[in-house]
Amino acid sequence: GAVVSQHPSWVICKSGTSVKIECRSLDFQATTMFWYRQFPKQSLMLMATSNEGSKATYEQGVEKDKFLINHASLTLSTLTVTSAHPEDSSFYICSARGQSFFATNEKLFFGSGTQLSVL
Amino acid sequence: AQTVTQSQPEMSVQEAETVTLSCTYDTSESDYYLFWYKQPPSRQMILVIRQEAYKQQNATENRFSVNFQKAAKSFSLKISDSQLGDAAMYFCAYRITNDYKLSFGAGTTVTVRA
Repeated sequence: GAVVSQHPSWVICKSGTSVKIECRSLDFQATTMFWYRQFPKQSLMLMATSNEGSKATYEQGVEKDKFLINHASLTLSTLTVTSAHPEDSSFYICSARGQSFFATNEKLFFGSGTQLSVL
Repeated sequence: AQTVTQSQPEMSVQEAETVTLSCTYDTSESDYYLFWYKQPPSRQMILVIRQEAYKQQNATENRFSVNFQKAAKSFSLKISDSQLGDAAMYFCAYRITNDYKLSFGAGTTVTVRA
């Protein structure tokens, strides 16, 4: 249990185009999803929190018009990087809050990440 | 705001030996969780161990154990009998009880020497 599928694993796009990243909870309903950004050999920085059916809450300094987040169902959240530029190149990771599956009682599960490279 | 500090960018350990990673955090909350996550070269985030702040007993998971000092706001991870597969970046993380968003430290890269 507790599988979070994130696609694509990597994507290369031209500057000025938009890219959509999907995050799906395969065997549980994710009431809340989180999107993080990670630069090489650095920490994960929270970008935004999304709850199903409502607008995402963005962290300070994150451009909501550039990073569009949609959480239309309890199993799918998408992050769209609009008008991508080389400085948007990064590793993007989603995490989903679900139910407890394991002895640790932890309810937060991570996707495998998406490497975005903007040329 | 909560901050998580990992002061060791890199650590190296001989196979079968023990290594300890340090983490300190700053919070005004009394009820929270602390975590250690492992990020191997695949970059998949893997939960290593979790500690509830209200529990005085240190969490253990097989070869991984923590030393949780609540008053000192310290949360170190000990990896015993290190294995080659333990090589990865390790992140200390924090969240309050009713919010699942995590604050991460800068990470510590662990290298295991054969």
